[in-house]
Amino acid sequence: DAKTTQPNSMESNEEEPVHLPCNHSTISGTDYIHWYRQLPSQGPEYVIHGLTSNVNNRMASLAIAEDRKSSTLILHRATLRDAAVYYCILRSFGNTGKLIFGQGTTLQVKP
Amino acid sequence: EAGVAQSPRYKIIEKRQSVAFWCNPISGHATLYWYQQILGQGPKLLIQFQNNGVVDDSQLPKDRFSAERLKGVDSTLKIQPAKLEDSAVYLCASSLVAGAETQYFGPGTRLLVL
Repeated sequence: DAKTTQPNSMESNEEEPVHLPCNHSTISGTDYIHWYRQLPSQGPEYVIHGLTSNVNNRMASLAIAEDRKSSTLILHRATLRDAAVYYCILRSFGNTGKLIFGQGTTLQVKP
Repeated sequence: EAGVAQSPRYKIIEKRQSVAFWCNPISGHATLYWYQQILGQGPKLLIQFQNNGVVDDSQLPKDRFSAERLKGVDSTLKIQPAKLEDSAVYLCASSLVAGAETQYFGPGTRLLVL
């Protein structure tokens, strides 16, 4: 499975947009980019995923570079509740479902 | 819709004792996963079930860990005997099918081995 690289930590101010980067230079054509987040003392929760095109849902937006070697998770207006560890994960199409988590990015949101 | 249920939430045992964790997935989800999350790290898959069959247990330390999902619904993960390095959060997740886009995680069981 291809590897992802994320910053260890980031800070944001409440109600401001947050851009969480992820590098995946060895991504293959069949790899989907998934984002999960883990709030303190909880299990991870799905945020968003995409293949080539940018994606939006009620939680966030995912911007994927044209060469697919990097992507950015965008939280449009950070709230205190968004403070969590954010994981960027590559999953191959047809993969049995296994998620391979890295260290993730710890996001702090300041009031 | 009820989420993934796990019990107990916390467990403290001494090394060499045995312990068991229980997971009830979301109703109708055929695939069930057990992950181990050591403090400061991301979760690591231990075992994956499709209905009551094992799909992947390559990362399960089989000399001390065992898991079953007898009726294809709920599942138990057992450690016998426990070691200090087994201190971790044990997360259960489920998905509709093996390749489903989304996995739903339970709150986890926090194990401390003394």
